[in-house]
Amino acid sequence: EPEVTQTPSHQVTQMGQEVILRCVPISNHLYFYWYRQILGQKVEFLVSFYNNEISEKSEIFDDQFSVERPDGSNFTLKIRSTKLEDSAMYFCASSEGASFYNEQFFGPGTRLTVL
Amino acid sequence: AQKITQTQPGMFVQEKEAVTLDCTYDTSDPSYGLFWYKQPSSGEMIFLIYQGSYDQQNATEGRYSLNFQKARKSANLVISASQLGDSAMYFCAMREGMKTSYDKVIFGPGTSLSVIP
Repeated sequence: EPEVTQTPSHQVTQMGQEVILRCVPISNHLYFYWYRQILGQKVEFLVSFYNNEISEKSEIFDDQFSVERPDGSNFTLKIRSTKLEDSAMYFCASSEGASFYNEQFFGPGTRLTVL
Repeated sequence: AQKITQTQPGMFVQEKEAVTLDCTYDTSDPSYGLFWYKQPSSGEMIFLIYQGSYDQQNATEGRYSLNFQKARKSANLVISASQLGDSAMYFCAMREGMKTSYDKVIFGPGTSLSVIP
């Protein structure tokens, strides 16, 4: 069964460093997403991406965040200068369509720890 | 205002018993989808079941069923014959049909379920 994959599974970084989280969405999906879950809290939407551009972003997704689809398979989230409060689990998701009945398939997550 | 409410932060259930996890939602859009996800301690997000706003029947998937009461805006998850492996965090989520909200899934705060042997 096709699945969304994410690398690395765990990333530890120093405050102020740049990190890139990588995702490989399901191959025939067209819509891509990043969510974040701070430990013990609910899952929060960060950004959605379609047709090589951002279609929606939340207030969390400020100038230090960026997303890219550098090739036909990868989808990346870059955090330019990490802060302690960026420590969280980051989930990538993909979907065949953007309708309310389309399931978003989630990857296993990358746990980011900022020291 | 909260779009998704899960009033039970933690629940316990005896193995082999059934359990109901509550979820209420708030939307003015007639087109929406409701999803339940399971998050075990390992952290991944596992899709369990989907209910569309126009679906006439309650969704079922194996031991999972959804008690959908549209007028009350509730979508409770029922797990029958609980197993130890069902111990996890459970999230209710919604995706609305309005164009401006086509994209994101909105999650509730979650319910932590513990199955007791």
